[in-house]
Amino acid sequence: DVKVTQSSRYLVKRTGEKVFLECVQDMDHENMFWYRQDPGLGLRLIYFSYDVKMKEKGDIPEGYSVSREKKERFSLILESASTNQTSMYLCASTAPFFNGSEKLFFGSGTQLSVL
Amino acid sequence: KNEVEQSPQNLTAQEGEFITINCSYSVGISALHWLQQHPGGGIVSLFMLSSGKKKHGRLIATINIQEKHSSLHITASHPRDSAVYICAVCNNNDMRFGAGTRLTVKP
Repeated sequence: DVKVTQSSRYLVKRTGEKVFLECVQDMDHENMFWYRQDPGLGLRLIYFSYDVKMKEKGDIPEGYSVSREKKERFSLILESASTNQTSMYLCASTAPFFNGSEKLFFGSGTQLSVL
Repeated sequence: KNEVEQSPQNLTAQEGEFITINCSYSVGISALHWLQQHPGGGIVSLFMLSSGKKKHGRLIATINIQEKHSSLHITASHPRDSAVYICAVCNNNDMRFGAGTRLTVKP
């Protein structure tokens, strides 16, 4: 059974802390994504990666960075956590979209609270 | 204006009712996905379609490319269908999401 695993289900951090969110997929997918989900706003893309060591900014990259040293792992880093980064963070992966027919696979999400 | 609009935002139904959730989009797409998110956060892909209609059990998804519109139907709804349903449109590696429709099915 295919799987996208996020390291933490719930996380509570203090303002100013450096936060690491980890995502691992076992499907040998090229594309991996980090989204945040806030009520009424839907999923918004933070960063995505289409290959090892490659990364592209999404719609809301400010305050975040990413790392993809291995194909199966995509990490989201909050350099200095702030209260407005309290949110649900979702990781997703997929094979390349040649014609949009590839299925999306999501992790179970990390609910991050920054106090 | 969002590129992907879903309606309604919230929907409450009685068990057994036929349910329709709508998705309209304003961008060119290669495919459209319907996703289901249960309380707790995990998201499951229900359908991906680029034309016509797909059916899986009590779920039916349709898309009209010319009108840039898709619908998700649930027949004989059940309380376990209660979830947030999200429409996502794809163009190559770019995905855009609707804000979701929260469905509550009461016994």
